[in-house]
Amino acid sequence: KNQVEQSPQSLIILEGKNCTLQCNYTVSPFSNLRWYKQDTGRGPVSLTIMTFSENTKSNGRYTATLDADTKQSSLHITASQLSDSASYICVVSRQTGANNLFFGTGTRLTVIP
Amino acid sequence: NAGVTQTPKFRILKIGQSMTLQCTQDMNHNYMYWYRQDPGMGLKLIYYSVGAGITDKGEVPNGYNVSRSTTEDFPLRLELAAPSQTSVYFCASSYDGNSGLSYEQYFGPGTRLTVT
Repeated sequence: KNQVEQSPQSLIILEGKNCTLQCNYTVSPFSNLRWYKQDTGRGPVSLTIMTFSENTKSNGRYTATLDADTKQSSLHITASQLSDSASYICVVSRQTGANNLFFGTGTRLTVIP
Repeated sequence: NAGVTQTPKFRILKIGQSMTLQCTQDMNHNYMYWYRQDPGMGLKLIYYSVGAGITDKGEVPNGYNVSRSTTEDFPLRLELAAPSQTSVYFCASSYDGNSGLSYEQYFGPGTRLTVT
């Protein structure tokens, strides 16, 4: 069964600290993996997209890694800011077609001063 | 560009009522999607469209209908609303979704619907 599991469900960190969010998946055949940031009351916004051959991709203070062999990805946030408070969603795409996106339930990150 | 816009932002319906959620994109994207997001759950695909005149069911299509008469618009119709349809609805679009490799979805701000 094609699934995307994220951990932890929620996380609270102090401003300025780093954190790492995890995503494990069983989607096959794999096409790409994306991380989205969803602010409260808003739609998701793409942070990174990685294909099978990419191990790491950065977007400012966000760095995503992918291990396609173990089917794991992580999103590392450096020097967190209050504006990083949001849900972070891992989405895995299966090859071909528009009806092949599998969404994780997200990690709710809260950054406190 | 306005991106993906959705109306209304909020709506309360009584059981059995009908309504249409509007979605428009101005990026000339061929693919458009409707998702619902229930509390603590991942987004679930309701319907999608790969181009004007073409629509297809997603994971949870029951109780909904869509149409795609133009590239820009992809309205979602709820007939006979039920409490189980209380959710946040997101419209999204992407370009050439069938390329499979690195297309990006752009999401609208969502419509919060409550059915009582």
